[in-house]
Amino acid sequence: DAGVIQSPRHEVTEMGQEVTLRCKPISGHDYLFWYRQTMMRGLELLIYFNNNVPIDDSGMPEDRFSAKMPNASFSTLKIQPSEPRDSAVYFCASSLGQGAFIPEQFFGPGTRLTVL
Amino acid sequence: DAKTTQPTSMDCAEGRAANLPCNHSTISGNEYVYWYRQIHSQGPQYIIHGLKNNETNEMASLIITEDRKSSTLILPHATLRDTAVYYCIVRVPTGTASKLTFGTGTRLQVTL
Repeated sequence: DAGVIQSPRHEVTEMGQEVTLRCKPISGHDYLFWYRQTMMRGLELLIYFNNNVPIDDSGMPEDRFSAKMPNASFSTLKIQPSEPRDSAVYFCASSLGQGAFIPEQFFGPGTRLTVL
Repeated sequence: DAKTTQPTSMDCAEGRAANLPCNHSTISGNEYVYWYRQIHSQGPQYIIHGLKNNETNEMASLIITEDRKSSTLILPHATLRDTAVYYCIVRVPTGTASKLTFGTGTRLQVTL
């Protein structure tokens, strides 16, 4: 398996522009997580899905952020409009749950977002 | 989640065992101990986890004290590629509680 795939790996955009980050989880995994990592705040969970359904989005900073999972093999995280404080590395992770038990999470390589 | 305490940094000679300690004195009965590492500019990588018994896999061994208040991650033969920040996390692996929150971790430097 190729592992969790994220695209793009790097994104530089200007304030106010729309940004879309993409993630392909490991085949067969039923949990998908979006995290954000910054030096100041460390790793933060933004949202996670189970069987394509959003379960907890309490970590999403504000309405400018939205996430979708139209099918089991694809998810997007969108920021509209983007702001400089959104600059961070965004990670997607997936996991094969055992019912409600969520063992290890496997992370993608991340998308480094820079908003000018 | 219980708070963990790890040394800020450690050095290890290549080929030697790296022993990374973690204190989690407030761990509750249903919390597991997880270890992840993050190599520079890469995503976090799962290493191992355990509840109360010692665990071993192809990457490492995890030793958990009988009172579960501390644990040690052992890399039996460290290589230069093991240079990374290692995170000890205690969590209940169900629902929203399963989210991973990384502290500052231990920066392991493996040297020749």
